Amino acid sequence: DAKTTQPNSMESNEEEPVHLPCNHSTISGTDYIHWYRQLPSQGPEYVIHGLTSNVNNRMASLAIAEDRKSSTLILHRATLRDAAVYYCILRDFIIQGAQKLVFGQGTRLTINP
Amino acid sequence: DVKVTQSSRYLVKRTGEKVFLECVQDMDHENMFWYRQDPGLGLRLIYFSYDVKMKEKGDIPEGYSVSREKKERFSLILESASTNQTSMYLCASSLRDSFSGNTIYFGEGSWLTVV
Repeated sequence: DAKTTQPNSMESNEEEPVHLPCNHSTISGTDYIHWYRQLPSQGPEYVIHGLTSNVNNRMASLAIAEDRKSSTLILHRATLRDAAVYYCILRDFIIQGAQKLVFGQGTRLTINP
Repeated sequence: DVKVTQSSRYLVKRTGEKVFLECVQDMDHENMFWYRQDPGLGLRLIYFSYDVKMKEKGDIPEGYSVSREKKERFSLILESASTNQTSMYLCASSLRDSFSGNTIYFGEGSWLTVV
């Protein structure tokens, strides 16, 4: 399984940007980088994914290093509802047509009012 | 809105009981998954199904079985519950994967306590 490394925890203030780093030095050329987050007492939810270039959606932005060995999830203006565990994931194939998410420990993000 | 529904949010069962955890998705997804989540161990894949009546073992299948008789429903079965199966169980589903990997949608989880 391809591995990712994230800080155990981070803290930020409401309405400030948050940059969540992820290292994936063993990434292969075809691995997409996926981010999910898990709010308290809920199942994980999709945030964003990308391959080489930076990606934006309504939830966040994903900045991918040129060598693809690291990436950063950016929350532009954090709210209290963004407090969650954030997972950076490289998906593994199970069989043709199916991949599985291999979850690490993730980063627990705390947002201060 | 996409929806993965797990039938029970909280269950308490006795050791040796047969336990059924039910999951239904309304998105016509081919792939369905069962994970368990434990503190310090993260989420681990138990079983996976890519079509009706088709299943594949995940990373920790021991002590579990699954059933997929209809496309929308995927059941996890604990044949004889044990205390080390106390955990939160998460069902998920996705379309048959594209190269980039389709979004996987999770249910809210089922908290199982085996006493």
